[in-house]
Amino acid sequence: QKEVEQNSGPLSVPEGAIASLNCTYSDRGSQSFFWYRQYSGKSPELIMFIYSNGDKEDGRFTAQLNKASQYVSLLIRDSQPSDSATYLCAVMVSSARQLTFGSGTQLTVLP
Amino acid sequence: ETGVTQSPTHLIKTRGQQVTLRCSSQSGHNTVSWYQQALGQGPQFIFQYYREEENGRGNFPPRFSGLQFPNYSSELNVNALELDDSALYLCASSLEPGSVYGYTFGSGTRLTVV
Repeated sequence: QKEVEQNSGPLSVPEGAIASLNCTYSDRGSQSFFWYRQYSGKSPELIMFIYSNGDKEDGRFTAQLNKASQYVSLLIRDSQPSDSATYLCAVMVSSARQLTFGSGTQLTVLP
Repeated sequence: ETGVTQSPTHLIKTRGQQVTLRCSSQSGHNTVSWYQQALGQGPQFIFQYYREEENGRGNFPPRFSGLQFPNYSSELNVNALELDDSALYLCASSLEPGSVYGYTFGSGTRLTVV
């Protein structure tokens, strides 16, 4: 079992819709959770981090964490074509002090 | 405030050669981590340096080695290059190991081994 799993997609949504990206992790010692956006040929860019159960909102982005279910999600409201990218879920186990990434979900927002 | 910078941006090497990649951390960050990202995959952790000492290593062979300097910049060295070493190499810096604020990535070095 992979440590961090994401649906590889591709996920396509129409412009203005809500895009929902999901991630599960296996290590119950995981304490911090991150969503990175990566445009083709570019490096990952941090969008949000969350470490408490519940929702965290930042503009059009909402991260949701459920530690009991070992599940993290990212919602993108009012999706724009510029949101088309690969979204990487990353998990940090504090004892390891390193980020472990999923393989990413490719999102396409159709105009 | 300067971000994370990496050099070179692109590199082509022959199998069996050695390569050195360089990274300057973001101002105020004392921790540097290196990742390898193959096409279509997520970044894989190579190792981390904190205050000039190796502070954790992923599942990479010893021919992958590194250094961190007093100004917190870092190098990644790869000996005896193999074709499978072709990838995007990412450097990330953080305020400290395990920072809850995450890591800031540089633009990466694209290494092609032929």
